[in-house]
Amino acid sequence: NAGVTQTPKFQVLKTGQSMTLQCAQDMNHEYMSWYRQDPGMGLRLIHYSVGAGITDQGEVPNGYNVSRSTTEDFPLRLLSAAPSQTSVYFCASTRTRDPPPSYGYTFGSGTRLTVV
Amino acid sequence: AQSVSQHNHHVILSEAASLELGCNYSYGGTVNLFWYVQYPGQHLQLLLKYFSGDPLVKGIKGFEAEFIKSKFSFNLRKPSVQWSDTAEYFCAVRGGGSNYKLTFGKGTLLTVNP
Repeated sequence: NAGVTQTPKFQVLKTGQSMTLQCAQDMNHEYMSWYRQDPGMGLRLIHYSVGAGITDQGEVPNGYNVSRSTTEDFPLRLLSAAPSQTSVYFCASTRTRDPPPSYGYTFGSGTRLTVV
Repeated sequence: AQSVSQHNHHVILSEAASLELGCNYSYGGTVNLFWYVQYPGQHLQLLLKYFSGDPLVKGIKGFEAEFIKSKFSFNLRKPSVQWSDTAEYFCAVRGGGSNYKLTFGKGTLLTVNP
């Protein structure tokens, strides 16, 4: 099924551990992005990418790294997890080339991360 | 930089009541506007979007929104809510051109009592 796939769905980490949240899309979307959702804060942009090899920081990038080696994948890395990174993480993508007005953003189902 | 303000943090209504959720954005140029809904424990689903043309946009589940450029607003409306509309609603804005960043408001939690 076409869409955005995020793995894992749930994860518990200890402080200081590292991990990678995976995001893959099969719609040939050029733009991909990562958000974190916290109660009362809405969704805040962490990092985004407009194409393979191009990434940039969003609103809350500290503590997170990204890379974009292929159009399909946009992993989010936590190098040294902290309790403040406990959140729900969403990946989203959209077309940028010849975007018809009917296109919008496609969201993954999220990864719930707890750092203890 | 673009930003979004949602006026109500929590709205409580009875079934059949009318709904209007406020959304104001800040951006100086052309914008695309979105309303998303998140049911408990689920991911975001698109309710409706405005790109251009008719400022009154109709979406799924009987929702509609009106883009008022002079007021920088994009309020969400529904004439008669149902218990199943209980969810969190997010307004989002994307500045036009080559800017694809989507900026969200903090959300409005809607509780509909049967």
